[in-house]
Amino acid sequence: QSALTQPASVSGSPGQSITISCTGTRSDVGGYHYVSWYQQHPGKAPKLLIYYVSDRPSGVSNRFSGSKSGNTASLTISGLQAEDEADYYCSSYSTISTLLFGGGTKLTVL
Amino acid sequence: QVQLVESGGGVVQPGRSLRLSCAASGFTFSNYGMNWVRQAPGKGLEWVAVIWSDGSNKYYADSVKGRFTISRDNSNNTLYLQMNSLRAEDTAVFYCARDGHGGNSWYLDLWGRGTLVTVSS
Repeated sequence: QSALTQPASVSGSPGQSITISCTGTRSDVGGYHYVSWYQQHPGKAPKLLIYYVSDRPSGVSNRFSGSKSGNTASLTISGLQAEDEADYYCSSYSTISTLLFGGGTKLTVL
Repeated sequence: QVQLVESGGGVVQPGRSLRLSCAASGFTFSNYGMNWVRQAPGKGLEWVAVIWSDGSNKYYADSVKGRFTISRDNSNNTLYLQMNSLRAEDTAVFYCARDGHGGNSWYLDLWGRGTLVTVSS
């Protein structure tokens, strides 16, 4: 059960767009549509941003979007805002009914 | 309101046991699968276990299989995690998290605030 691969950090200026990648294998990201994304501010619980690759829960800004190509999923944040500075985690269902998380990406808004 | 509240964390010696609880309110607990996710200090999220809404299926991460047991009491809207043979590497904040559906949606749409477990002699 290896973790999914995410960049350790990304950064962007207010108003810009950034993309965070999440790479797995055919046994997880590439094999299922069960990819989700979470945002976690320091000292807080994670919050669901995206599920089923590209669906947004009600209440989540449409500045957050998800996609997938092959074994890599991506989270794009458009119109960066200061409050977007946080850690972001992807997750995916994996064969034999387990859930894998990525190592997390720290987003810095410059 | 809709919420999950974990309890039962604390300091425990290696090799000992601890049971975590998660009290659910504001939604029909018996309709949802439930998970435990942990986060070691300064580290990322690690999924621990899931239990289906009716308790019929349970799955575990390899790192805890055979040592941890997930269970639930739908009559009391409570989720549990029995942790045995604890190791230093189990030190983490443990979150209770709701599955988006009965247990096989594989996304977590509601999280508690977490309870800290420290395994140390």
